[in-house]
Amino acid sequence: DADVTQTPRNRITKTGKRIMLECSQTKGHDRMYWYRQDPGLGLRLIYYSFDVKDINKGEISDGYSVSRQAQAKFSLSLESAIPNQTALYFCATSDYTGGVPNTGELFFGEGSRLTVL
Amino acid sequence: SQQGEEDPQALSIQEGENATMNCSYKTSINNLQWYRQNSGRGLVHLILIRSNEREKHSGRLRVTLDTSKKSSSLLITASRAADTASYFCATDSMNSGYSTLTFGKGTMLLVSP
Repeated sequence: DADVTQTPRNRITKTGKRIMLECSQTKGHDRMYWYRQDPGLGLRLIYYSFDVKDINKGEISDGYSVSRQAQAKFSLSLESAIPNQTALYFCATSDYTGGVPNTGELFFGEGSRLTVL
Repeated sequence: SQQGEEDPQALSIQEGENATMNCSYKTSINNLQWYRQNSGRGLVHLILIRSNEREKHSGRLRVTLDTSKKSSSLLITASRAADTASYFCATDSMNSGYSTLTFGKGTMLLVSP
């Protein structure tokens, strides 16, 4: 089984619908992230969480919300989907390395491809 | 905003040749990482180099970091068709008291048999 699992892997929806993308991990990491990938734009950070009670906005949080239900679960919601939210979404985790704040290796899920019509 | 920018955007070589990709960034960093992505798949971590390191090796990979020029390079030696993928640099920097990774736009590498 994958260490970082995303569901659904593919989703087609219509404008205005509420969508939830779910992420679960078995790595025991405290830190979890949601990134969005668009062709030619690389990955951009949407939200991140450093523990269950900690939620932070990333570079492009408008139109998105998140919930950290447990250490192992981090879900991303689009309250009212719009076509320009069509993208490949990635969940990732990392371990806290201690000492000076820094981000170690990220472990990615296989992605959730969302199409908003 | 993008912190890292990879160059070139695309690279096409023959098996056995070396591939060099470059990454430039704008602000000071804690570390710089390189990731690989096969088409439509999740990213896989390749190597991490800290701001006080200048060079690091892992198998056929060699990464250099020049903090004075705010640049890094990834060298893949003796490339194979299986190395065909997109490669991203990611910089770890502080943002409002938190450390997060910011990714570049990537270099698409095509290795032909």
